[in-house]
Amino acid sequence: NAGVMQNPRHLVRRRGQEARLRCSPMKGHSHVYWYRQLPEEGLKFMVYLQKENIIDESGMPKERFSAEFPKEGPSILRIQQVVRGDSAAYFCASSPIQANGDEQYFGPGTRLTVT
Amino acid sequence: AQSVTQPDIHITVSEGASLELRCNYSYGATPYLFWYVQSPGQGLQLLLKYFSGDTLVQGIKGFEAEFKRSQSSFNLRKPSVHWSDAAEYFCAVGGLTGGGNKLTFGTGTQLKVEL
Repeated sequence: NAGVMQNPRHLVRRRGQEARLRCSPMKGHSHVYWYRQLPEEGLKFMVYLQKENIIDESGMPKERFSAEFPKEGPSILRIQQVVRGDSAAYFCASSPIQANGDEQYFGPGTRLTVT
Repeated sequence: AQSVTQPDIHITVSEGASLELRCNYSYGATPYLFWYVQSPGQGLQLLLKYFSGDTLVQGIKGFEAEFKRSQSSFNLRKPSVHWSDAAEYFCAVGGLTGGGNKLTFGTGTQLKVEL
């Protein structure tokens, strides 16, 4: 059973370009979470999605960031017009059902560098 | 709002010595508590979790943690550290708060093991 897959593992973008980060949850998991880890900091929650629904986006910046989890295919975190401050590691996690304290399984992350 | 404090940013121990990493949390209800480990350039691996019941929780790699409600703490311990334990350790609190099971992480403790 493959774990959570994220690609690309490393992404370099120039300021103003768009970044697309992909996350394929574990088989059978229908809940996806995105977290961002800035240098020297812990992970911060961004958004929680189920298939075709955004459930909680309270951690998402108000502009330039969006996320989706379509019926088919991976979850996508999109960052438009990237700036240097977007440089970070972005982690996706998945869980099977929404239950109290369900364990989240983390992917290896995408390390975004904005030049 | 829930929060997690890891007061030690860096800890250095000798191989074979015992280890305790501190974690304090703030949460309005019964918390669900987790310890994750992150090796350089990697994703997060779950070490152990506490939901309810026995307050002493056993995890993988010989780690254990004790939930102390009166102190709002969930400290991670290991009797004898191995060089391969060098990594960053994150404490996290989670629980259904109306919009999913998002985790709140501490800022992490970097563990260095001296041979």
